[in-house]
Amino acid sequence: DVKVTQSSRYLVKRTGEKVFLECVQDMDHENMFWYRQDPGLGLRLIYFSYDVKMKEKGDIPEGYSVSREKKERFSLILESASTNQTSMYLCASSSLGGGSGYTFGSGTRLTVV
Amino acid sequence: DAKTTQPPSMDCAEGRAANLPCNHSTISGNEYVYWYRQIHSQGPQYIIHGLKNNETNEMASLIITEDRKSSTLILPHATLRDTAVYYCIVRAGGTSYGKLTFGQGTILTVHP
Repeated sequence: DVKVTQSSRYLVKRTGEKVFLECVQDMDHENMFWYRQDPGLGLRLIYFSYDVKMKEKGDIPEGYSVSREKKERFSLILESASTNQTSMYLCASSSLGGGSGYTFGSGTRLTVV
Repeated sequence: DAKTTQPPSMDCAEGRAANLPCNHSTISGNEYVYWYRQIHSQGPQYIIHGLKNNETNEMASLIITEDRKSSTLILPHATLRDTAVYYCIVRAGGTSYGKLTFGQGTILTVHP
C-alpha cells in the first residue's frame, strides 16, 4: 500500500529549539507539500517542492524552512520553535500533474512549550 | 485560485445517499475539482476529482454542472464511517500548479 510517512505522531519541544519534521513517500512522486492545520483556520500551505533541491513558499512560510535532498524525503524545519507554531503538521505528495490525487500522511501534532 | 463555497454542516441517515454541494463560480477552464475528506485526527484522504465530465469510483460519484460553476459529491450508501469533514478544492494553475488550497469544508454526520 502506497503511503506518506511522517516520522513522529506526537512531538513536544521547548521554545527556541530547532525542530525537524520528516516526511517520506514511497510513490516516486515529484511534488511534496507541508501544511499546518489549526482549529478555525483549516489547512494552510507552508512550503512545497516540485523536485529535488527545489522549494517554493506557500501561504505561511514565515518561521519555517524546508529541505529536499532526495526525491522521497521532504523535511520541514523550525529554526527556533515558538508557541504559535503549536499545530498539526501534515505532509502530502502528488505526481507531477496531480492527476492521481494527493496522498497525505497521518500528521504530526507538535506542541511547543 | 478559484474559491469554493460549501455548507458548514450536513446530516445523513445511514444507508441513504449523501449529496454534498460545492460552488466554484470563478473556476477557470483548466482547473480541476477535487474532493477530499478528513476523519478526525487523520490526514485528508483523496476521494475523487474531475474536470467537466461526471466521474465515479469505488468511493463516490462526482457530478459537475455543465457551466462548471458547481458540483456535487455523492456517497451512494453512507455509513457511520463516512462521518468526516469533506473538502471541495479547485486545483491552482500557473506558477502554483499543483498546489491545493483548502477551505473550511462540510462536516458530514451520518446518523444510525
